[in-house]
Amino acid sequence: EAGVAQSPRYKIIEKRQSVAFWCNPISGHATLYWYQQILGQGPKLLIQFQNNGVVDDSQLPKDRFSAERLKGVDSTLKIQPAKLEDSAVYLCASSLDLGQGIYEQFFGPGTRLTVL
Amino acid sequence: AQKITQTQPGMFVQEKEAVTLDCTYDTSDQSYGLFWYKQPSSGEMIFLIYQGSYDEQNATEGRYSLNFQKARKSANLVISASQLGDSAMYFCAMRGAGNQFYFGTGTSLTVIP
Repeated sequence: EAGVAQSPRYKIIEKRQSVAFWCNPISGHATLYWYQQILGQGPKLLIQFQNNGVVDDSQLPKDRFSAERLKGVDSTLKIQPAKLEDSAVYLCASSLDLGQGIYEQFFGPGTRLTVL
Repeated sequence: AQKITQTQPGMFVQEKEAVTLDCTYDTSDQSYGLFWYKQPSSGEMIFLIYQGSYDEQNATEGRYSLNFQKARKSANLVISASQLGDSAMYFCAMRGAGNQFYFGTGTSLTVIP
């Protein structure tokens, strides 16, 4: 079974530039998550999709971040314009209901963003 | 508000010894799930163990066990017979009623040979 795919793995941009990340979840997983993990901290949920609908985007800085999940499969996360504090690893995860309320998340390798 | 607290930034354990990583949580949900993840230096997040709020028995997965004390709102991870490959960051996480996940700040575990 293929895992969660993310690209690119690394990205370096200057502040005020734009950047986009792509995520392909595990086939059949209805729920997709984007997390931001700043060095030394735990992952922070940015947005959660159930199929192609947004479940939670309360911590997404909507003035600069946007995300979409077309057709309930792939997803893209965009930052426009980037700030220095956006430097982090962006993790994508997907999950399947295993029954009895168990939602194990499978994570992708992440995209490490450096904003100069 | 949902919150996960991990109070141990760093822990050391001798190889083959057991170690307990602490996690406390705060939630008003009646139904929730608690997870532990391992994040090696390579960066990937690896699922270790799950405990449901209604599970009466503590979860176990191989060398991992979860010491669940619901009244105290704690979900400590116990790793038995530590191995060098266990050196990593460990994150406690909670799934709330809306299926959102909340992560703690993590504990860095170093296994000493």
